[in-house]
This record gives sequence, structure tokens and C-alpha cells, in this order.
Amino acid sequence: KNEVEQSPQNLTAQEGEFITINCSYSVGISALHWLQQHPGGGIVSLFMLSSGKKKHGRLIATINIQEKHSSLHITASHPRDSAVYICAVPLYGGSQGNLIFGKGTKLSVKP
Amino acid sequence: DAGVIQSPRHEVTEMGQEVTLRCKPISGHNSLFWYRQTMMRGLELLIYFNNNVPIDDSGMPEDRFSAKMPNASFSTLKIQPSEPRDSAVYFCAISEGVDDYGYTFGSGTRLTVV
Repeated sequence: KNEVEQSPQNLTAQEGEFITINCSYSVGISALHWLQQHPGGGIVSLFMLSSGKKKHGRLIATINIQEKHSSLHITASHPRDSAVYICAVPLYGGSQGNLIFGKGTKLSVKP
Repeated sequence: DAGVIQSPRHEVTEMGQEVTLRCKPISGHNSLFWYRQTMMRGLELLIYFNNNVPIDDSGMPEDRFSAKMPNASFSTLKIQPSEPRDSAVYFCAISEGVDDYGYTFGSGTRLTVV
């Protein structure tokens, strides 16, 4: 069974700062997911990645499958980036199927 | 949320009553998941369906919980009888398996059992 650890748990940044959130997991996988949950509660999938790096706007996700580690970066952070960021991996490996989730990183970006 | 519609958005019910949560996937998918989120335990899988067939229901807390997926466009999660400890946000999600994002979540149903 996979275990997922995220760090930090809480993060406060000033607008414009570069932000990094880390995720480690215990069992080999084919893909990892990053999710965003806004204060209103809705959950949005940000990335599904299996190798290297992906970029969407100011968000960048990287993964090292061998080291079982992924990072989510936010460049030029903005108050609207304030949310909980959740890392998730397939319970028994692979790339899909039922996910298990990290406890999330609560990000607050101050103007 | 364009891919998954959940209803109701909020539900307040008395202990012992039956509660039915609904999920309507709009976009194409092959898998559908029910997750529960609480402050203490975070997000947890309850059950998931693949091509409308239940694959893993090991996360369903007890016999009070049941889920159905009669067709590809509709699924229900029922709690009977409900208890205060069932209070949580229940999310339905679909997996399309082929795009860059992987999963689409509904807006969730916030259930409060008093």
C-alpha cells in the first residue's frame, strides 16, 4: 500500500514569491496527481505526470520516479493561488485507479 | 465542474434518516469514484466503479453505506440510517485516463447529520 507524505503542511508567502511544495510516496507508480482545493471546497486536477516536468501557466510540476518524489512550483505567486494543494498517487501503483492522498499543503499568499 | 454534477450541494438531516447523494458524470469516463473528506482523515476512497461495475468497496465504512451505478450517467451513494459521524463532504470523481489531468471532481455534497 502506498503512503504519501507532503511538506510543508502550511505555507505563507508574499505575493510574487516562488513557492515549492514537496511530495514523497512509498510504492512505485506510473503517474502522480496534483490537485488544488479552493477555500470554497471544490477540487481541481492540476497535473497528472509520469516523468520529467509539466507546466501550466505559472504552475510547474516535476517528478523523479526513481526517487519517488515530486514537487509543485508556483512562480510569481498571487493571492488567488491561496488554496490547499494535494498530492495523490494510485493506491496500488500504476497511473489510475483509486487514489490515496497526502494531507495537503495549505498555501496562503499575502498581498 | 463541467464534467461531474453532484446533488444536493448541502444536506442537513437528522440521525437515523436515510440520505441519498447523487452524481451525474457528463463527460466521457471509464471509472467513477466516491470519496469522503473530513478534517480528521482527509480524503478517503469509499468505492469505485469501472465501466459501471463496483471494483473496490473496501472503503465503505459499514453496511449502512451502499452505492449503485445503474448506467454510465448516474451513480448514487446511500446512507441508511445516517449517524452524526457520517458528517463530511462527499465527492464524486471520474477518471478519463487519457488526458493531462486524469480526474474530474464534482463540487461535493456537504452532509451534516444532527
